Amino acid sequence: EPEVTQTPSHQVTQMGQEVILRCVPISNHLYFYWYRQILGQKVEFLVSFYNNEISEKSEIFDDQFSVERPDGSNFTLKIRSTKLEDSAMYFCASGGGSQLLGSPLHFGNGTRLTVT
Amino acid sequence: SQQGEEDPQALSIQEGENATMNCSYKTSINNLQWYRQNSGRGLVHLILIRSNEREKHSGRLRVTLDTSKKSSSLLITASRAADTASYFCATGLYSSASKIIFGSGTRLSIRP
Repeated sequence: EPEVTQTPSHQVTQMGQEVILRCVPISNHLYFYWYRQILGQKVEFLVSFYNNEISEKSEIFDDQFSVERPDGSNFTLKIRSTKLEDSAMYFCASGGGSQLLGSPLHFGNGTRLTVT
Repeated sequence: SQQGEEDPQALSIQEGENATMNCSYKTSINNLQWYRQNSGRGLVHLILIRSNEREKHSGRLRVTLDTSKKSSSLLITASRAADTASYFCATGLYSSASKIIFGSGTRLSIRP
C-alpha cells in the first residue's frame, strides 16, 4: 500500500539554524499538510497546500516557516531560524480526495526535531 | 481555543470490554474523522463521518455524530490489548475545507 515517507526521522539542530524537513506524499494525492506534536500531546495544524499554493495556515505558521513542492514529488517544510520551542515531532500528511467532501489523511511517521 | 476536545483524556479498561471516547467541537463542520496513534508513530485514519450522517460502522468501530450538540463518539467493542493507543478526532471545517483540526486525544489502555 502506498505510504507517506518523511526524512530524516530525527534531526538535531542548534538554535538559530535553518532546517528543512522532507516528505514524499502519496503520488496521486492533491492535498498536503504539515502538523506538529509536542511531547505526545495535541496534534497542531500548521499548513495545508493545494494546487501549488498554501490553502490554509495557522497562527503558528509565521514568517519563519515556509513550504515548497519543488519537483512534483517532494513536499518540504523549512524553518528559517529555529527556536527551542520548535522542538517537536513534525508530521506530513496527504489526502487524495476532495476536502470539501472529506477525505482521509495519510500520515508519515514524522521527523523528531530537537533544537539545542 | 481548541476546535476539538476529547474526553476522557485517559481511559483504562479490561480486555474484552467496550471503550467509548467522546469528541466535542465548536464550529460548523463538513466531516469528522477519527484517527489512532501508537506511541511515537504517525496517525492512522480509522473512520470518517460526514455532517449529513448520524452513525457509521467499520468492523469493531462505531461512530456517531450529533451536529446539533457538536459532538461525536467513538465506540470500540470487544477491546483487545492491541487497541492500546491514543485516539484523536479531527474536524474538517465548513468555513475552511482544507483546514483539518485535531482534538487533544484520548489515551486508551487495555489491561490484559
